[in-house]
Amino acid sequence: EPEVTQTPSHQVTQMGQEVILRCVPISNHLYFYWYRQILGQKVEFLVSFYNNEISEKSEIFDDQFSVERPDGSNFTLKIRSTKLEDSAMYFCASSERRQGAGQPQHFGDGTRLSIL
Amino acid sequence: GEDVEQSLFLSVREGDSSVINCTYTDSSSTYLYWYKQEPGAGLQLLTYIFSNMDMKQDQRLTVLLNKKDKHLSLRIADTQTGDSAIYFCAETSNFGNEKLTFGTGTRLTIIP
Repeated sequence: EPEVTQTPSHQVTQMGQEVILRCVPISNHLYFYWYRQILGQKVEFLVSFYNNEISEKSEIFDDQFSVERPDGSNFTLKIRSTKLEDSAMYFCASSERRQGAGQPQHFGDGTRLSIL
Repeated sequence: GEDVEQSLFLSVREGDSSVINCTYTDSSSTYLYWYKQEPGAGLQLLTYIFSNMDMKQDQRLTVLLNKKDKHLSLRIADTQTGDSAIYFCAETSNFGNEKLTFGTGTRLTIIP
């Protein structure tokens, strides 16, 4: 069965550094998402992306964050000038169509980001 | 805003049925989902239900939706040790909203 793949599985970064988290969505999917889960807290929506632009973002997704689809297969989340509170598990997801049309989101295994 | 709540823990004897409950506040919810997270792994889609349905069955899994009370449940029949995981309820609404709103997750422990 096709999968969403994320790399790396664990990223350790010094505070203030930039980090790029990578995702390869399922190949025929058109909608892409990032979520994060701080340890012990709920999974939170960050951003959704369609047709090479952001379609929705949460209040967490401020100027520190950006997303890009640099080629036909990768979808990346960049975090500039990382802070301690950015430490979390970051999940990428993709879906064929919008949620309202009943196409569920499929998730990757996540990247655990640790900021020192 | 939307809120989704679940109890944090559930322990069930192997072979019994597990029932995991979820409540939500968003009256415009259209789809409700159950995801499973095993240790160190991602979120695996188990099943989902459209808001105009009351029940959906898929092998050992039964989803019940009470839209009036905004209550969703997941029943796992004949619970096995491999069912040990965290189960997340999630919802999405129909105002062109694509984001999923997740519950806190219920950690299911199987007692041998």
